[in-house]
Formats: sequence, structure tokens, C-alpha cells
Amino acid sequence: GQQLNQSPQSMFIQEGEDVSMNCTSSSIFNTWLWYKQEPGEGPVLLIALYKAGELTSNGRLTAQFGITRKDSFLNISASIPSDVGIYFCAGLSRNNNDMRFGAGTRLTVKP
Amino acid sequence: DSGVTQTPKHLITATGQRVTLRCSPRSGDLSVYWYQQSLDQGLQFLIQYYNGEERAKGNILERFSAQQFPDLHSELNLSSLELGDSALYFCASSGLVTTGELFFGEGSRLTVL
Repeated sequence: GQQLNQSPQSMFIQEGEDVSMNCTSSSIFNTWLWYKQEPGEGPVLLIALYKAGELTSNGRLTAQFGITRKDSFLNISASIPSDVGIYFCAGLSRNNNDMRFGAGTRLTVKP
Repeated sequence: DSGVTQTPKHLITATGQRVTLRCSPRSGDLSVYWYQQSLDQGLQFLIQYYNGEERAKGNILERFSAQQFPDLHSELNLSSLELGDSALYFCASSGLVTTGELFFGEGSRLTVL
């Protein structure tokens, strides 16, 4: 099946620092998404990207859909303690029948 | 609150047993997805249903099965349980157009002893 390679696996940063994580695939996706999972909860959608090259922001979060349609990145600027959680990239395939998730990036923010 | 309800929240059982996890999607959502999340692992796609019919299948074991009922709720059946089946099982739902926005429940944590 389609594999999503997400990196880094974990990050330990100081409050106020910027964060960058990315996701690559050997397959083409026509939608890339970024979700966040907080402890004890299910993932929640942060940003959805529908067009190759698209750059979208949501507050301090910015994500881009790679022009090859095989990668995406997520940046978080000026991190705060509540940014702690696991961030998942997800790709939706051409047939839109299933969505695959990356392994996640576990973010820890030190005050 | 995502509007997706999963029961039970926690379940402890023994190897060889069978359990059923239940999911009620958001009102109006026709698609239901099941994912498995093992400790410190990502979300493994198991299966998707749309309006009662199986639409996509992922890495679902033969010991596992699912169905979506006419009222759109779904059940995931796990049988001949093994220690390695211990995980969080998430249900998610989405609306008519598959935009990629899935609404996840809080998960059912299964512990197999």
C-alpha cells in the first residue's frame, strides 16, 4: 500500500522556537492533510491542501503541498506549550477511497 | 466534541476472546473509517464503509471484521485476540464529499492480557 514517510519522529524544542516537519511518499496524492492528536483524544484536522504548490496558513501554522504531489511540510512558528502533541500528515489518493497517515511527529515544547 | 461516539472507551480481555467495538458517526455522515493505533505508532487504516457498503480495505487482519448498519453506525469485531492486538482503535466519519476531513472519536482502548 501507499507509505507515508514522516520526519522527524520527535522534536524537543523551547517555547518560542519555530518547528518544521515533513512528509514524503513514493505515490502521488491529490490531497494532503495535517492532523494533531492530543493525549487521550482522537486526531483533529489542522490544515487541508488540495492543489499542488498550494501554501496554506492557519494562524501560526503553515503547510505546503509539494509540486510533485509526493510531499508536504508543516511549519509552526513561535511555538507555545499547547502545541504539544503528535502531528500526523495524511494523504488522500486519487480514488479518494482511503486515507493513509504518516507515523507522526511527537512534539514537546519546553516552557 | 467531534460528534463521533465510540464505545466502550476501555476494554480489557484475554487472549483468544472476541470483542466488538461500536461507533456512531456524526449526524449526516455516510462514511465510517476504522484505524488502529498501537503504542507510539501511527494510525493504521483498517477499513472504510460508505452508506453500508465496504469501500476500501487496508491492513485489516482476517480475524477482524466490520460492518455498517442501515442507521449508519458501525461495529468492528476482533476475534481470536492476541497480545499484539492491544491498541487504541479509532473510528472516524466524513460527509458526502471526501475532502479528507475526518472527524475522529475518542477511541476505544483495548488491552489483551
